[in-house]
Amino acid sequence: KQEVTQIPAALSVPEGENLVLNCSFTDSAIYNLQWFRQDPGKGLTSLLLIQSSQREQTSGRLNASLDKSSGRSTLYIAASQPGDSATYLCAALGDSNYQLIWGAGTKLIIKP
Amino acid sequence: KAGVTQTPRYLIKTRGQQVTLSCSPISGHRSVSWYQQTPGQGLQFLFEYFSETQRNKGNFPGRFSGRQFSNSRSEMNVSTLELGDSALYLCASSVAGGGQETQYFGPGTRLLVL
Repeated sequence: KQEVTQIPAALSVPEGENLVLNCSFTDSAIYNLQWFRQDPGKGLTSLLLIQSSQREQTSGRLNASLDKSSGRSTLYIAASQPGDSATYLCAALGDSNYQLIWGAGTKLIIKP
Repeated sequence: KAGVTQTPRYLIKTRGQQVTLSCSPISGHRSVSWYQQTPGQGLQFLFEYFSETQRNKGNFPGRFSGRQFSNSRSEMNVSTLELGDSALYLCASSVAGGGQETQYFGPGTRLLVL
C-alpha cells in the first residue's frame, strides 16, 4: 500500500532564501509524482508534474526532482518570496489503480 | 476561461441528513475527480467521472456516490451523514483525467456535520 510522507510538517524561512521541500513514497510503482500548493480558501493549484520516466521538471523559480529508486522527490524553491507562503503537497499516482495518494503537506512561511 | 466552480461553498447539516455538492468543470474538460480533505486523514480520493461514467473509485463507503451529466458537470451525494463526514470536499477537472495530466481544482465545499 502506497504511503506518502512529507517532512517537515512546517517550515519558516526568511525571504530570499533557497529552500527544499521533501516528499517520500514507499512504492516505486508510480505513474507520476505531482506537487501542489494550497492557499487558504482557494483550493489547490498544480505546480509541477513529473512523469515516472523523468528526473526533474522546472517552472520559473521551482524545480522538482524525482528519484524512483530511493522513493524520493524534492521541490526546490529559489529566492523565496512572501507570496510563496502556502501549504505544499505532493501526491503519487499509482501506475495500476491511477489514484493519487497524498502527503500531509508542508506548511511554508516566508518571513519578510 | 472560467475556472472550476463548486457550490455551495459552505454547508451545515445534522447527522442522518443527506447532502448534494455540485462541481462545474472548466469548459472542454471531461473528467471530474472528487477528494475529501480532513485534518486527520488529509486528502483522499473519492471517485472520478469521465463522460458520465464512474471510471475510478477510492475506498469510501457506499454512502458516498456521484454522477456526471452530459455537460460534464458533476454532483456528489453523501447520505446518512456522520460527524466524521465533516470535511473540505474538493473537485478537480482535467481534459482526459486518470491523474495523468494536470488537474485544476475548485475552491471546495466545506461541510460541517453537527
